[in-house]
Amino acid sequence: AQTVTQSQPEMSVQEAETVTLSCTYDTSESNYYLFWYKQPPSRQMILVIRQEAYKQQNATENRFSVNFQKAAKSFSLKISDSQLGDTAMYFCASPRYNAGNMLTFGGGTRLMVKP
Amino acid sequence: DGGITQSPKYLFRKEGQNVTLSCEQNLNHDAMYWYRQDPGQGLRLIYYSQIVNDFQKGDIAEGYSVSREKKESFPLTVTSAQKNPTAFYLCASSIGAGSKGEQYFGPGTRLTVT
Repeated sequence: AQTVTQSQPEMSVQEAETVTLSCTYDTSESNYYLFWYKQPPSRQMILVIRQEAYKQQNATENRFSVNFQKAAKSFSLKISDSQLGDTAMYFCASPRYNAGNMLTFGGGTRLMVKP
Repeated sequence: DGGITQSPKYLFRKEGQNVTLSCEQNLNHDAMYWYRQDPGQGLRLIYYSQIVNDFQKGDIAEGYSVSREKKESFPLTVTSAQKNPTAFYLCASSIGAGSKGEQYFGPGTRLTVT
């Protein structure tokens, strides 16, 4: 069975500092994507960043970047220059391509950015 | 503006009643999904549909039903057989084959059954 594990239920960071959220996954796919979603207090799920597994280069979107270690099946999210608006739940997700591309989500990490 | 709409935002029902949650998208996406989220937890898939008039069960389909009569619409019915229906329900869509799994989500419906 495909699994996604986020081992940090809660984290906090001071405004303007950097924080890294961890995610490990298990998949039998040879070519796949991985995703980080953000869920702010409004509960709207927002795609933060995607990583293509066959690409060596780690994905970057403004202040968000990933550290993708394919052999270790690790996919961490780094947030630089944290802002108060980054306070949210963050979910790592992996698609199941043999089941309609449905997403398997980790349990989430609650991030609090402190002023 | 293209997007996914879910209505209503909050829904209250008495135990034993069926209730239908609406999901509409104007993104011209082929695939649509329903997820359930319980407090402090990740999302779990209820049903998905990759094409009109076809849908498949997800991990927690018991007590739920869906239909996909139009590409734009994927309503979810929570039946009285669902033992613990109070939850936050999220609808999502993707372009379908070739999307590599990237999904876009609606704002969600909070269902409370008493």
